[in-house]
Formats: sequence, structure tokens, C-alpha cells
Amino acid sequence: QKEVEQNSGPLSVPEGAIASLNCTYSDRGSQSFFWYRQYSGKSPELIMFIYSNGDKEDGRFTAQLNKASQYVSLLIRDSQPSDSATYLCAVTNSGYSTLTFGKGTMLLVSP
Amino acid sequence: GAGVSQSPSNKVTEKGKDVELRCDPISGHTALYWYRQSLGQGLEFLIYFQGNSAPDKSGLPSDRFSAERTGESVSTLTIQRTQQEDSAVYLCASSTRTGLMYFGPGTRLTVT
Repeated sequence: QKEVEQNSGPLSVPEGAIASLNCTYSDRGSQSFFWYRQYSGKSPELIMFIYSNGDKEDGRFTAQLNKASQYVSLLIRDSQPSDSATYLCAVTNSGYSTLTFGKGTMLLVSP
Repeated sequence: GAGVSQSPSNKVTEKGKDVELRCDPISGHTALYWYRQSLGQGLEFLIYFQGNSAPDKSGLPSDRFSAERTGESVSTLTIQRTQQEDSAVYLCASSTRTGLMYFGPGTRLTVT
């Protein structure tokens, strides 16, 4: 059974700091990796995706993928209180198109 | 709007009644998914439609749950003889051929 593991948190960081969110997955065949942000009472919103080993940057967000170690991370630079949300890691493999989601890490950014 | 839409946004029903939830995916998205999320919990996969292929129903929790999709458009999720444990937010999502998945706003179902 494919599993995606995340620390439930909460991860608390002060405003302006770097928030680091981590995710590990069990299926070595996984090919695509996604990060979703979910505000309380709202549906998940896609914020980053990465397919290849290494880093991918988009604004204040950087996704990092290490397939050998089976982990993917999300870095949020210059964290803002508006970044406070639950961050969901999701993984899929090439032969199966549904995403397997982790349970999410709650991030709290204090002003 | 160009996003995934769902209706109703909220549904309160009595135990034992049937409910039908609707999802309109993003135009051109061939894949459509249903997930549910109970309060404070993660996302639970229910069912997946891809084009004209047979749907993947492996996540449906019981035979009271069923879903249909008309071509590559609207989908309906039906729950028969609702139970209190069915109370959750039901999320629909659609995706591009490259797998980028976008969620609708969800339907909050409350079974009393």
C-alpha cells in the first residue's frame, strides 16, 4: 500500500523565517510530487509540483525532491502569517493516476 | 468561472435518506476524482474517472456509495441510506493530462 507520511505539526515559525515542511513516501515508482495548501474550512489549493530530482523555485516557495531517499520537501522563505495553513504532500506514480495524500502538516506563522 | 464547481455547498439530511452531490470539472480535464475529508482528517480517495475508461472505484467505502460521470463532464456522487459516519466534506477534483489536480470548493454533508 502506497503511503505518504508527514509530521502533523503544528510547525511554528516567526514571521520572516524559513518554514521547512517534509514528506516521505513509500512507493519507489512514484513519479510526480505535489504540494497543496489548505486553509481551515477551504479546499486544497495546488501551490507546487516537481517531477525531477533537485530543487524547483517559484517565488517564495521551493520544492525539493530526492528520489533516492524518497522524500520531498517544501521551503517557504520570508514566511508570512497568511502562510498559516495545512500543507498537504501528494504523490503519484506513472502507472496510476490518482494522488495519494499525506495527512498534512499544520504551519503557524506568528507575527 | 474556470474552476471546478460543486453543488450544493452544504447539505443537511436525515439518517437513512439518499443524497446526490454534483461536480462540474474544469473544461477539457479528462480526469475527475472524488475525495472526502472528515473533520480534522486527511483526504480519503473515493473514486476516479479517466475519459471513457472504467472508473476506479477502489476507494468507495460501501455499496451505498456510487458515482457516475457523463462523458468528460458532470459527475454525480450518490450516497444511499445515509449514516452519521458519512458526514464529511466531499471534494471533487479534475486534472490535466499532466496530472495537475484542482479541487472544487466541496460539499459539506451533515447527516442528522
